[in-house]
Amino acid sequence: DAKTTQPPSMDCAEGRAANLPCNHSTISGNEYVYWYRQIHSQGPQYIIHGLKNNETNEMASLIITEDRKSSTLILPHATLRDTAVYYCLRNTGNQFYFGTGTSLTVIP
Amino acid sequence: DARVTQTPRHKVTEMGQEVTMRCQPILGHNTVFWYRQTMMQGLELLAYFRNRAPLDDSGMPKDRFSAEMPDATLATLKIQPSEPRDSAVYFCASASWETQYFGPGTRLLVL
Repeated sequence: DAKTTQPPSMDCAEGRAANLPCNHSTISGNEYVYWYRQIHSQGPQYIIHGLKNNETNEMASLIITEDRKSSTLILPHATLRDTAVYYCLRNTGNQFYFGTGTSLTVIP
Repeated sequence: DARVTQTPRHKVTEMGQEVTMRCQPILGHNTVFWYRQTMMQGLELLAYFRNRAPLDDSGMPKDRFSAEMPDATLATLKIQPSEPRDSAVYFCASASWETQYFGPGTRLLVL
């Protein structure tokens, strides 16, 4: 199974950290975890990816559990512009299964 | 600022007409993907190419859809004949390794 499981929706107060979970219990050892987001009707935007270690960039942090069965995307200080659908994916043979993602609403 | 470009951005056509969508990948990227997004099905992978060779088009209806890369700077997705159920947003993405960068999409409406 190349899919991931995410909650369908979440709310977050502006300025607070948004923590978006993802389950990928059947992930294999060489598969990366990727996060993308889609704002309104734009094309999906790459956020971050990782294999085993936690990762951080200018957009977000990615925390991957030691057993790699789940991960959390953290937006440290959510803004209204972070309202979007967030997709967690596995890279399975260069194929990406976007699923339904988590619709994050940042509330003023 | 390197970006994936797609043309046209919007297309309205009548059932039975041919539709051609074009994508210019980011220079140097060797992998190109075509996706379709609808409210009902979400984002679906239709086909992808590496070094201009088709690697997987299993997500694409073969009877009416075709995808090609005539050169490294152009990918095309054709629908012939188009049907109302093809109405969707079609995204192209390119990648150099595994990270994909998406274009703005072509919004297709088939009447």
